[in-house]
Amino acid sequence: DTGVSQDPRHKITKRGQNVTFRCDPISEHNRLYWYRQTLGQGPEFLTYFQNEAQLEKSRLLSDRFSAERPKGSFSTLEIQRTEQGDSAMYLCASSLAANEKLFFGSGTQLSVL
Amino acid sequence: GESVGLHLPTLSVQEGDNSIINCAYSNSASDYFIWYKQESGKGPQFIIDIRSNMDKRQGQRVTVLLNKTVKHLSLQIAATQPGDSAVYFCAENKAPSNSGYALNFGKGTSLLVTP
Repeated sequence: DTGVSQDPRHKITKRGQNVTFRCDPISEHNRLYWYRQTLGQGPEFLTYFQNEAQLEKSRLLSDRFSAERPKGSFSTLEIQRTEQGDSAMYLCASSLAANEKLFFGSGTQLSVL
Repeated sequence: GESVGLHLPTLSVQEGDNSIINCAYSNSASDYFIWYKQESGKGPQFIIDIRSNMDKRQGQRVTVLLNKTVKHLSLQIAATQPGDSAVYFCAENKAPSNSGYALNFGKGTSLLVTP
């Protein structure tokens, strides 16, 4: 257990529905990252927060995706109007400082039917 | 574009042997590299890291070697055990970047340890 919690572990939804995932990072970590991982691939960077500020978004993050970290602690990732191509493992990670190792949660496995 | 890649997608070793997993990177600006282990259904787990001012770093049963001249990274696992069976990823920081040095991952090598 790395100390990064993600909820839910699994989510099955129908195409067109909205889904929201939650991540609780390690408490003293002010940096929080979202990644997406598809089968047989490495994790791909989606977005990054430093405290409550969202400082970078990948081109992978379409306008159907939105992430928040309102109080600089937990974060949510919402996908609107889900598509089958959104099926993946969504990983959250946190770090104590810049250019330090990331600690990953166990991920939320999303299946869009 | 710049990327991190792995030489072998799968590696099978016998229990007790040493394992070597290789990785090539192309971003000459990267100055921090990490190896992660990922078991099925779990998130990546940190193994060992190395900064570009070093060429070797050792941990418990693991050693990472960095060759900046040829942009090559390797992970050596001594006395491989069945519990080492997993997918191994190398990752480099996205330097220079404003992404808080988010990591760029390769595709992974699947390590299978046979008895």
